[in-house]
Amino acid sequence: AQKVTQAQTEISVVEKEDVTLDCVYETRDTTYYLFWYKQPPSGELVFLIRRNSFDEQNEISGRYSWNFQKSTSSFNFTITASQVVDSAVYFCALSEEYNTNAGKSTFGDGTTLTVKP
Amino acid sequence: GAVVSQHPSRVICKSGTSVKIECRSLDFQATTMFWYRQFPKQSLMLMATSNEGSKATYEQGVEKDKFLINHASLTLSTLTVTSAHPEDSSFYICSAMGGRYNEQFFGPGTRLTVL
Repeated sequence: AQKVTQAQTEISVVEKEDVTLDCVYETRDTTYYLFWYKQPPSGELVFLIRRNSFDEQNEISGRYSWNFQKSTSSFNFTITASQVVDSAVYFCALSEEYNTNAGKSTFGDGTTLTVKP
Repeated sequence: GAVVSQHPSRVICKSGTSVKIECRSLDFQATTMFWYRQFPKQSLMLMATSNEGSKATYEQGVEKDKFLINHASLTLSTLTVTSAHPEDSSFYICSAMGGRYNEQFFGPGTRLTVL
């Protein structure tokens, strides 16, 4: 069975601080996808990144960066120089890549990030 | 990028009535769509997998007779909450698989309030 754990329920930082959101996952599959989504108060999920299990390269996109380590089954997300607009709930998710379960995502419980001015 | 819409975005209904929520893939065909439910301050929980032209596959604990899913075309799946009760009040989110790389795209969600 798949499982995604986001141990941090809530994080509060002051603007311009860096913040890392942790994500640890469990799966028996050798091929899978990992995701991060942002959910602002409006509720609509905003896709941030998808990472294939074979691609362990870290990625940077502006102030966002992701650290994928298969050895520790972690896919952590760092926001550099946080801004008030980054305040939202962030979800880490896992899905199988192939067969009929492709796309069937398991979500973590989410981390509520509050960035104070 | 690919777009998935949901209608309505919000619905308030009386207990005992049925509510239909539509999920449409606007610029791609989706053979598979998923329905999730999210209670306040909780995570998204998968309710069912909807495949075009066949019966939906429900997750354990989800009542198939209460949450009717119809995936009649490659661009439309509907979720009908039958005989809704206040405990069915939730945020319902659909997603569709498709696009060039067979990715998953989420709809904006439908907030259901049952009085």
